[in-house]
Amino acid sequence: AQRVTQPEKLLSVFKGAPVELKCNYSYSGSPELFWYVQYSRQRLQLLLRHISRESIKGFTADLNKGETSFHLKKPFAQEEDSAMYYCALAPTSGTYKYIFGTGTRLKVLA
Amino acid sequence: EADIYQTPRYLVIGTGKKITLECSQTMGHDKMYWYQQDPGMELHLIHYSYGVNSTEKGDLSSESTVSRIRTEHFPLTLESARPSHTSQYLCASSELWTGAYEQYFGPGTRLTVT
Repeated sequence: AQRVTQPEKLLSVFKGAPVELKCNYSYSGSPELFWYVQYSRQRLQLLLRHISRESIKGFTADLNKGETSFHLKKPFAQEEDSAMYYCALAPTSGTYKYIFGTGTRLKVLA
Repeated sequence: EADIYQTPRYLVIGTGKKITLECSQTMGHDKMYWYQQDPGMELHLIHYSYGVNSTEKGDLSSESTVSRIRTEHFPLTLESARPSHTSQYLCASSELWTGAYEQYFGPGTRLTVT
């Protein structure tokens, strides 16, 4: 079955510490993977997608097909990074509908 | 400015009432979606549409219905609201349907059925 797993509901780190938000997926092919973010009182928005191989707001995410993971990382957390982060998968065959993980709330402490 | 709108933002309503959650977008997108999200849980797709007069049920069974008479408008209707319908409803749209396509989300409607 297609599934996205985010094992941590809440992750608290201190400002300046490294951050890693975990995402594992279950999919038989090669999916498209994304991280979406929702800041307080704002709408859900795309943070980055694996195909772009870009760094957005200092965040990067590497697709590891062997471990079926797509962890989100940032070397030095900032207070403004506090938000809800969702990992999502879009199948590349059959139905193309997104599958979202349950989300991880990141709290960056001063 | 291109955007996606949802009204109302908050709705508290009694059991048995008929309600319509509005979603409109000025993005020019053909694809639109409705998600249901309980607090702290994942988003579940309940309806989607490829374009005008095209609607499909999503992965999560829902008693709601949708219509797509105009490209920019994708309302969701509950004929008889129940407390189990209490949730947040998110509308989204996208230009594409395949590949690494981005979905654009509205601000959401938080529905409480008493």
